[in-house]
Amino acid sequence: QVQLVQSGAEVKKPGASVKVSCKASGYTFTGYYIHWVRQAPGQGLEWMGWINPDSGGTNFAQKFQGRVTVTGDTSITTAYMDLSRLTSDDTAVYYCARTYCSGGNCYTYFDYWGQGTLVTVSS
Amino acid sequence: ERVMTQSPATLSVSPGERATLSCRASQSVSSNLAWYQQKPGQAPRLLIYGASTRATGIPARFSGSGSGTEFTLTISSLQSEDFAVYYCQHYNNWPPAATFGGGTKVELK
Repeated sequence: QVQLVQSGAEVKKPGASVKVSCKASGYTFTGYYIHWVRQAPGQGLEWMGWINPDSGGTNFAQKFQGRVTVTGDTSITTAYMDLSRLTSDDTAVYYCARTYCSGGNCYTYFDYWGQGTLVTVSS
Repeated sequence: ERVMTQSPATLSVSPGERATLSCRASQSVSSNLAWYQQKPGQAPRLLIYGASTRATGIPARFSGSGSGTEFTLTISSLQSEDFAVYYCQHYNNWPPAATFGGGTKVELK
């Protein structure tokens, strides 16, 4: 079965960086984009960006450009999201999610999600 | 940038009643609209895509409608497991991008 398993919770100081991993299994890793979505405590969902694991291509919401890096390692079917220059506003649960694909076409909604990784930024 | 606005913020409903949730886009999104359910401590769950198509395994009591700028998620007869927060999401297929609404919390009346 399809699974996305994320790394554990992190506590970081302001100005630091955090790297969250997302291990995919149960499907062809290179066949589906992986997106990253975050959710601040008690708040809604915020889309951050994606990686095409096949080509390594990425794109991000303007808000995160220059501060986020997403990479993929096809040998271990894992995607990584690296967020730098952390502030308290980055305290959130970070989710990876798989793009829905059917009949050779892919659509930017998400049928499988990781369990989430809580990143706490505090001095 | 498109803004997705959901209303109401909170909806109080009794089990067995119908729940109607709204999502409005600041400009037309055609039918590129999905709905998710999220329970506390869990990741979101895809309910509806293409504005009206139920995702795999979603019960028939969930239905979506609308196009352009006005969308509705209807839960025909609320079950206890349906109390949750619901999010709408506009999606752009190329380049891939997504915008979520602020959510509607469906709570027990």
